[in-house]
Amino acid sequence: AQSVTQLDSQVPVFEEAPVELRCNYSSSVSVYLFWYVQYPNQGLQLLLKYLSGSTLVKGINGFEAEFNKSQTSFHLRKPSVHISDTAEYFCAVTAYTGGFKTIFGAGTRLFVKA
Amino acid sequence: GAVVSQHPSWVICKSGTSVKIECRSLDFQATTMFWYRQFPKQSLMLMATSNEGSKATYEQGVEKDKFLINHASLTLSTLTVTSAHPEDSSFYICSAHRDSNYGYTFGSGTRLTVV
Repeated sequence: AQSVTQLDSQVPVFEEAPVELRCNYSSSVSVYLFWYVQYPNQGLQLLLKYLSGSTLVKGINGFEAEFNKSQTSFHLRKPSVHISDTAEYFCAVTAYTGGFKTIFGAGTRLFVKA
Repeated sequence: GAVVSQHPSWVICKSGTSVKIECRSLDFQATTMFWYRQFPKQSLMLMATSNEGSKATYEQGVEKDKFLINHASLTLSTLTVTSAHPEDSSFYICSAHRDSNYGYTFGSGTRLTVV
């Protein structure tokens, strides 16, 4: 079975500052990794995904993430955040164990201050 | 591509009544859809996996007689909350897996309030 840990429940940051949201996972099989963003009372929107190939993945809204197999991490980064980036961010791991199953982290609340 | 529509976006119902939530894949066929529940300020918890043409697979602790899932076609899965109670109030989200290049696409969610 796989598991996902998002190490920070809340991350306050000033506008135009860089940010990193941390995600670690564990799995006995190969995984696909995702980051989603959720705005209040809305569904999840895919930011980026790692399926295979280059470990540095670029997504929408200027976000990127790096897959580190040895550290089993998939941290999300943005060099300069905006007020509009304030939202909940979820890291997710998908593995195939007789069928595809996705496990979500507990989420990280990014709060961008002016 | 890979759009999932969920309806309704919010619903208020009286305790003891049933509510049906629809999840449609608009531009692709989804043999498998997933239903999640999200409590305030918490992550998504997988409730069940909906398989087209067969019975849904429920996660441990989820009452299958309470949360009825029907996946009658390749583009539609429904979740019916039967005899709803205030503790069923939550945000319900569906998702569908198109293929490995798309990952999972989520509906916009349904806010259910039982009064």
